[in-house]
Amino acid sequence: EIVLTQSPGTLSLSPGESATLSCRASQTVGAGYLAWYQQKPGQAPRLLIYDASIRAAGVPDRFSGGGSRTDFTLTINRLEGEDVAVYYCQQYDTSPGTFGRGTKVDIK
Amino acid sequence: QPQLQESGPGLVKPSETLSLTCTVSGGSVTSQNYYWGWIRQPPGKGLESIGNVFYGGTTYYSASLKSRVTISVDKSQNQLSLKLRSVTAADTAVYYCARHWRASPRSHFDYWGQGVLVTVSS
Repeated sequence: EIVLTQSPGTLSLSPGESATLSCRASQTVGAGYLAWYQQKPGQAPRLLIYDASIRAAGVPDRFSGGGSRTDFTLTINRLEGEDVAVYYCQQYDTSPGTFGRGTKVDIK
Repeated sequence: QPQLQESGPGLVKPSETLSLTCTVSGGSVTSQNYYWGWIRQPPGKGLESIGNVFYGGTTYYSASLKSRVTISVDKSQNQLSLKLRSVTAADTAVYYCARHWRASPRSHFDYWGQGVLVTVSS
């Protein structure tokens, strides 16, 4: 099983700053089969990025994904209050896929 | 776009079987275009993949749950089914169903249900 380690656990930034979230895999994630989801309290996860770097429909271009093999990042530029959430990475190279433990993003 | 809705008992006794369904509207679980999955989230914790299924019955299960879980497709009701046997308090979670983006388990989830909380307690 591919274990995903997300860091940091919590990120507290000011509006307008940039957030960089990390997702490290215990082994290579083939074909860049990695997604990022945003989850707000009481809601289901929402897809942001898939195949490591492709932005899902309707996702603001402030969100971008990158990386390959074992190291992936999600960057949120120009942080806004609506970005307060927990962000999860998921690998789907192996089935049924695994998730990281999440990074919580707060606004100062 | 499809809508997914989980349903089932909110309270299950220890050692019993947790049974949930996911009703899909605006789409068909028998479509050859998609895999479907179940994911759970214990209160205050992260997401955990349970398994996924294709309309023809092909399934993939989490190694940690494989001995206790069955996921299937009910074509007549256009529903997905999740059964988890011999539950304990550790199985208390919000359970989500979701659609894979394509006809492969090696794809992300593009649509999710709102989730249903199941508590395991006597």
